[in-house]
Amino acid sequence: RKEVEQDPGPFNVPEGATVAFNCTYSNSASQSFFWYRQDCRKEPKLLMSVYSSGNEDGRFTAQLNRASQYISLLIRDSKLSDSATYLCVVRSYGQNFVFGPGTRLSVLP
Amino acid sequence: NAGVTQTPKFQVLKTGQSMTLQCAQDMNHEYMSWYRQDPGMGLRLIHYSVGAGITDQGEVPNGYNVSRSTTEDFPLRLLSAAPSQTSVYFCASSYKAEAFFGQGTRLTVV
Repeated sequence: RKEVEQDPGPFNVPEGATVAFNCTYSNSASQSFFWYRQDCRKEPKLLMSVYSSGNEDGRFTAQLNRASQYISLLIRDSKLSDSATYLCVVRSYGQNFVFGPGTRLSVLP
Repeated sequence: NAGVTQTPKFQVLKTGQSMTLQCAQDMNHEYMSWYRQDPGMGLRLIHYSVGAGITDQGEVPNGYNVSRSTTEDFPLRLLSAAPSQTSVYFCASSYKAEAFFGQGTRLTVV
């Protein structure tokens, strides 16, 4: 079993749609959680950190359930510019980052 | 703000050649790492360092060497390039939280 698993995708959604990505992790010692965005042929960039109480940044909402070892990302009112691959990332304290395989999103006009 | 700088951006090597991918960061981060990204495989850790003079192997270290003589620099050496090392390579650095990535090196071994 992979340490971090994500929805396989791709997700093709119309502009304005709401889309949710799911992620599970196997290491219960994981302490830090992130969503990264990666555009085609570019480096990954931090979209948002994920906190236990859940957090929101504009149209983006991230949730963490430590008991279920589950992380989610919700994108509301999708824009064409949201088209990218979304990477779920976990890290144990002071340890290496573990990346999920990514879920590709295409927002269609 | 330079952040994490990788050079070169593109490289073509012949099988058996050696080369060094450069990575430098100006954020005084202790943690630095190298990943390779292949289609359908996601990012895989090659080597990492938690500070100057300290390096360790990641998930896929074979065929690569690293050193960390300063906090700023973390070069990745390909000892004898093979076609299986054709990939996109990313360097990243971190302090306590998120990782910051360089722009990547697209390497083709023919």
